[in-house]
Amino acid sequence: SQTIHQWPATLVQPVGSPLSLECTVEGTSNPNLYWYRQAAGRGLQLLFYSVGIGQISSEVPQNLSASRPQDRQFILSSKKLLLSDSGFYLCAWRPPGQLYGYTFGSGTRLTVV
Amino acid sequence: EDQVTQSPEALRLQEGESSSLNCSYTVSGLRGLFWYRQDPGKGPEFLFTLYSAGEEKEKERLKATLTKKESFLHITAPKPEDSATYLCAVNPVSNYQLIWGAGTKLIIKP
Repeated sequence: SQTIHQWPATLVQPVGSPLSLECTVEGTSNPNLYWYRQAAGRGLQLLFYSVGIGQISSEVPQNLSASRPQDRQFILSSKKLLLSDSGFYLCAWRPPGQLYGYTFGSGTRLTVV
Repeated sequence: EDQVTQSPEALRLQEGESSSLNCSYTVSGLRGLFWYRQDPGKGPEFLFTLYSAGEEKEKERLKATLTKKESFLHITAPKPEDSATYLCAVNPVSNYQLIWGAGTKLIIKP
């Protein structure tokens, strides 16, 4: 069966520090991978998605970047965090080209102080 | 512009009091509509996919229905463990990315 792992669960970082959040998927190959951010009381905002190794599409220009160094690994990064980067970050996957619901990771609560 | 609106923002019910959550959408064409449940501090959990008007799906106390403009998530005789935020998302024909509603926070009081 397929599983998705996302870590860390919580993170408190000072303004100006770097960020690296990692997401891995097991039990499938060539998944579509997604990074979302969720602000309190608001819908999910798509940040990045990837349909293959090294292929990254950005939906919202901002202080973040994403990379996919391996087929089932998706990394969200920042060189210098801003206060506005605080939020709940979710990784998700689904089979390529299929109309299936996304499967989400457990999320990372990022607080920038 | 493709858009998804969920109502109400929050709904408080007594245990056993049935009700419905609404998800209205405006898209040029619909590939599918998805319902998710999200518990506090957790990732959303997939519930249903609906593809065409008139389709219905059920899971325990939940039933999702779809028309050409909206979807309803009916909850029958809810229990406190049904308390969560329920998210709706649509996949328009224009691309494969989902458009999300802001969610309805459901609180079931014992």
